[in-house]
This record gives sequence, C-alpha cells and structure tokens, in this order.
Amino acid sequence: DGGITQSPKYLFRKEGQNVTLSCEQNLNHDAMYWYRQDPGQGLRLIYYSQIVNDFQKGDIAEGYSVSREKKESFPLTVTSAQKNPTAFYLCASSPVREGRHQPQHFGDGTRLSIL
Amino acid sequence: AQSVTQPDIHITVSEGASLELRCNYSYGATPYLFWYVQSPGQGLQLLLKYFSGDTLVQGIKGFEAEFKRSQSSFNLRKPSVHWSDAAEYFCAVVPLGGGYNKLIFGAGTRLAVHP
Repeated sequence: DGGITQSPKYLFRKEGQNVTLSCEQNLNHDAMYWYRQDPGQGLRLIYYSQIVNDFQKGDIAEGYSVSREKKESFPLTVTSAQKNPTAFYLCASSPVREGRHQPQHFGDGTRLSIL
Repeated sequence: AQSVTQPDIHITVSEGASLELRCNYSYGATPYLFWYVQSPGQGLQLLLKYFSGDTLVQGIKGFEAEFKRSQSSFNLRKPSVHWSDAAEYFCAVVPLGGGYNKLIFGAGTRLAVHP
C-alpha cells in the first residue's frame, strides 16, 4: 500500500543534541512538508519542498533543517538551536499541479520529548 | 489579520446526537476550505474540501460542511455521531495567491462522545 512512513514514533533528545526525524513516501509525490503540532495551536509549517534538491522555509523554520536528496525522502533535523522542541511532528506529501491545490497526505507523526 | 478560527476547543456530545463544529476565516478572498480529522497519536485524514460551486459539501464518514460567504464560515456537521467519531477536528484553508499548497490550520476542536 502507498503511504507515508515516519520514524521513529517516539524520540527523546538530550539538551544540546541534534536529532533527525525520518519521513519516507512511496506515493510518487513531488511535494513534501513538515509540520509541528502543539496542544491548542493546530499545525504550523516548518519546511516544505516541491522538488528534489529544493526546499523553502515555512512559518517556524528557526532551529530546524531539512534536506531533499531523493524524491521519496524528506528528513527533518531538530538542532540544538531549537529551544523548545517538545512537540508532535507530522510529515505530509502531495502531488504538484500548476494552478490547482492538491490534497496533502499525512504520516502518523513522531513525538519528540526532551530528557 | 488573516486567520482561521475554531471557537470551540472542546465539545462533548452523546452518541446518536447531531454535531456541528464551527470554523470562521478572515481572508480578503474566499480561500480553499478543508476539514481534517486526527485520531489520538495519528496523522490527519481529509474529511472534505470546498473549492467552488455547491456550498454544501459531502465528505467521508457521513460528514458534510456548508460554506456561507456572508458569514465567512465553513461549519462541519454530522446528523448522528458515533463513538468512533471521537477525535480532534481541524479546519484549514489555502489562501488564494499564497501558494497553492500552503495549508493554514485552525487550533482544532476536540470532540468527546458519551455513550
């Protein structure tokens, strides 16, 4: 079955440590996204990519970094510069069609906590 | 300011009762409108979307939503709620001219269903 796989499901970070969240999709979608979810705040866009080797900052990119070396993969690194990383992180993907919104498909998320 | 507002943080209904979840948006031009559902610890699933045309939109799982331009609203309804509908519901928009896939989410409404 096609879908989006996020791993790990739970992740713990020590102070000053970088951690990387994995997101893989086999839907053949060109675009991929990372969202952060905090209680009572909905989802906020961290980074997105519409094509391999290109990505754009979203609304809350500070303290995060991404890469898009393959169409199927869009890993997110939470750096030590992100002072409040505890949250639920969701990855999504969608086709890209010029001039028309395409629905986003979501993974099941990774919950990151600070030790 | 441009925004998506879900006025109700928590709603509790009895199984079999009707449901209406409210969503209001504040954008100059009517954006694309969406409702997503999230079960605990999981990703988001698209329930329905409105781009244009008929203002009453049918979605999956027996949900529908009505777009009212005069009220800048896109409320989600279900005639008879099932216990399995307990989840968090997010209203989202794609503002016109803001990038065809840039979703902006409301803060969410958590639905509890009493037997």
